[in-house]
Amino acid sequence: AQSVAQPEDQVNVAEGNPLTVKCTYSVSGNPYLFWYVQYPNRGLQFLLKYITGDNLVKGSYGFEAEFNKSQTSFHLKKPSALVSDSALYFCAVSPRQLTFGSGTQLTVLP
Amino acid sequence: GAVVSQHPSRVICKSGTSVKIECRSLDFQATTMFWYRQFPKQSLMLMATSNEGSKATYEQGVEKDKFLINHASLTLSTLTVTSAHPEDSSFYICSASASGPLYEQYFGPGTRLTVT
Repeated sequence: AQSVAQPEDQVNVAEGNPLTVKCTYSVSGNPYLFWYVQYPNRGLQFLLKYITGDNLVKGSYGFEAEFNKSQTSFHLKKPSALVSDSALYFCAVSPRQLTFGSGTQLTVLP
Repeated sequence: GAVVSQHPSRVICKSGTSVKIECRSLDFQATTMFWYRQFPKQSLMLMATSNEGSKATYEQGVEKDKFLINHASLTLSTLTVTSAHPEDSSFYICSASASGPLYEQYFGPGTRLTVT
């Protein structure tokens, strides 16, 4: 069975500082990895994905994620956080079906 | 980008009644659509996967007779919650994929169901 772990329920960071939201996964075979963001009472917005190729993936709104096969991680990063980045972030893995992590609430403090 | 809509965005119904939620892919043909349920401050739980023209595949523990899914066309899937109970109150989110489950899914804005 495939699974995703987001070890931090809450991440706080000051505006302008770099941010990292952690994700580790477990899957048989090659993983397809995704990051989504959810604003209150809204659906999920796609940020980025890793299917194959370069381990550093760049996505929407200045976010990027690095696929690390040896550590089975796919951490989400942004060099300079904005208050508007405050939201709930989900890591997900496929290929059998999209399995989501428990989510990490990111709060960027002004 | 690909857009998925859901209707209604919010619905309140009485116990014992049925509620239908529509999910539409507006600018692409969705070969596969997914229905998720999300409880407050929790992750999304996949309820079922549907392919156009065939029966939906339900996840373990999801009652197929209670949560009826119809994927009648490449742009429309419906979820009907039959004989709703207060414990069915939740946030229901659909998603659609043009390439099957291996690739990115585009999510609808969600439907908040409250059963009184």
